[in-house]
This record gives sequence, C-alpha cells and structure tokens, in this order.
Amino acid sequence: EAAVTQSPRNKVAVTGGKVTLSCNQTNNHNNMYWYRQDTGHGLRLIHYSYGAGSTEKGDIPDGYKASRPSQENFSLILELATPSQTSVYFCASGEPGGTEVFFGKGTRLTVV
Amino acid sequence: GDSVTQTEGLVTLTEGLPVMLNCTYQSTYSPFLFWYVQHLNEAPKLLLKSFTDNKRPEHQGFHATLHKSSSSFHLQKSSAQLSDSALYYCALGPRGYQNFYFGKGTSLTVIP
Repeated sequence: EAAVTQSPRNKVAVTGGKVTLSCNQTNNHNNMYWYRQDTGHGLRLIHYSYGAGSTEKGDIPDGYKASRPSQENFSLILELATPSQTSVYFCASGEPGGTEVFFGKGTRLTVV
Repeated sequence: GDSVTQTEGLVTLTEGLPVMLNCTYQSTYSPFLFWYVQHLNEAPKLLLKSFTDNKRPEHQGFHATLHKSSSSFHLQKSSAQLSDSALYYCALGPRGYQNFYFGKGTSLTVIP
C-alpha cells in the first residue's frame, strides 16, 4: 500500500523560531502536497511539487517555504513561526491526473 | 476557477437514519469528484470517486452520483452507523489536474 510518512508527529515551537516538517513517500509519485487543516477552513493547500527540484505556491503560501530535494522527500519550512501557524499539517502524494492522493498521518504543530 | 462547496459544517444524526451530505462544485472542465473520510486522529483517505456522469460509485454503504446538470456530488447512505462518525471532505480534481480542491469539510456525528 502507498505510504506517506511525516515527522515529527507533534511539535511545539516558540514564536520566531524555525520549524521544518518532513515528509517521505515510497509511492514513487511525482506530485507531493502540503496542506494545513483548521476547523471551519478544511484542507488548504500551502505548497506543492511536480517532482524533485520543483516547488509551487498553493493557496496560502505566505510564511511558508518548501523544498523537494528528491522524488521521495518534501519539506515544509517555517522560517519565523507565528502562533497563527498553529495547526495540523498534512503531506500527501499522488500522480498528476491520477485518481487518488495519499495522505500522511499529519503533524500537530503548536507555536507558543 | 475551480471550487467545491460543502454547505453543512456539522451534521448530527441518530443511528439508523439516512445520511446525505451536500457537495456542489464549480469547474471550467468536466472534473473528477471525490469523497474523502477522516476518522478522529487519522489521515484523510479516499471513500468514493466518480469518473463518468450518472455512474453511482459505492463503498461501505455510501454512494454518490455525479450530476453535471446541477454540478453536484452528494454523499448518501441509507442507514447511519455509529462508526460513520467522521469528517467528510468533498474534493475536485480537474481533468489533467495537478491539484485537488477540497471543500471545507462536514463533520458527521452519529448518536445512538
């Protein structure tokens, strides 16, 4: 079965600090995505990637950077974390024009 | 642009009653529509997908019909079970898509 692994699963960060959320997929999918999930807003796309070396802005990219160093790995970087970035973050992978995206189990980030 | 609307944020049902969760969409092209389900503390996962008009996909007792005329893909089940309590997302994948567009989600709670 398709596998998307996120680390860490839980993170507490201080305001102004740097946070890196990591994602690894063993599906050999070209596309990878970072979403955040908030009550009342659902899943919102932050950044996505078409393959190694590519990153694209999603619907809410402000305050976030992304890095795709390889087919398998996709990171989300918060250079200066703020309390408004407290959320649950999901990584996902899929094939363009495919029929499904596969999600990781999520990372709960709290910025204090 | 492409978008998905789920009008109900919270739905509470008594066990045994029918379920209907609404989903309407806007898309420039004929899209693929999906329902994802997320149980508490788990990752979202695919529940149903539809590829052609008026075909009725079914899974775990749930079904949905894509109606292009009304731009809808409502999720239905004849009899709710306690285990159906979860967060349900309707999603749209435009043909040739690179990204999914998710609705804001409907939280379904089934009570005895």
